[in-house]
Amino acid sequence: SQTIHQWPATLVQPVGSPLSLECTVEGTSNPNLYWYRQAAGRGLQLLFYSVGIGQISSEVPQNLSASRPQDRQFILSSKKLLLSDSGFYLCAFQAGTSDYNEQFFGPGTRLTVL
Amino acid sequence: GQNIDQPTEMTATEGAIVQINCTYQTSGFNGLFWYQQHAGEAPTFLSYNVLDGLEEKGRFSSFLSRSKGYSYLLLKELQMKDSASYLCAVLDSNYQLIWGAGTKLIIKP
Repeated sequence: SQTIHQWPATLVQPVGSPLSLECTVEGTSNPNLYWYRQAAGRGLQLLFYSVGIGQISSEVPQNLSASRPQDRQFILSSKKLLLSDSGFYLCAFQAGTSDYNEQFFGPGTRLTVL
Repeated sequence: GQNIDQPTEMTATEGAIVQINCTYQTSGFNGLFWYQQHAGEAPTFLSYNVLDGLEEKGRFSSFLSRSKGYSYLLLKELQMKDSASYLCAVLDSNYQLIWGAGTKLIIKP
């Protein structure tokens, strides 16, 4: 079966510190991968998506970056966090074998920047 | 621009029926999704509509009218566990998902 893992679940970081969030997918090959951010009480904002290894598309200009070093691994990074980077970060995948091209989400990382 | 509108919050009574509306204006249309998101958790897939009409799945049904740019999610026999946010999302011409801000549904006993 297909599963998606994200870690850590929660993170508190000081302003200006680096960030690395990891997401891995199991049970499928060559998935489309997505990073979203959700501010409190708001909808999902697409940050990055990837259709293959090393292929990253950025949707929103910011101090974040993403990488896909392996087929089923997606990493979200920052060199220096800002207060505005606080939020709920969700990784999602879309598999070609799914019935409706729906996206499946990981459990999320709640990031607080102080 | 692309836009999806949903009510911010709705309240309903346990055992009743509630309809959550979604209107959209997007560049192209390749389907509409409804997701459920409990507080502090990830969204989970509920339904998909690409043709006009009603799709029923147990207590939940989803309706689509492409000519009106309109969908609704109908929840019957409401249970306390249905308290959650419901997100409407449209797959545009580039197969990118455009998300609404979500409707927070509060169920009262």
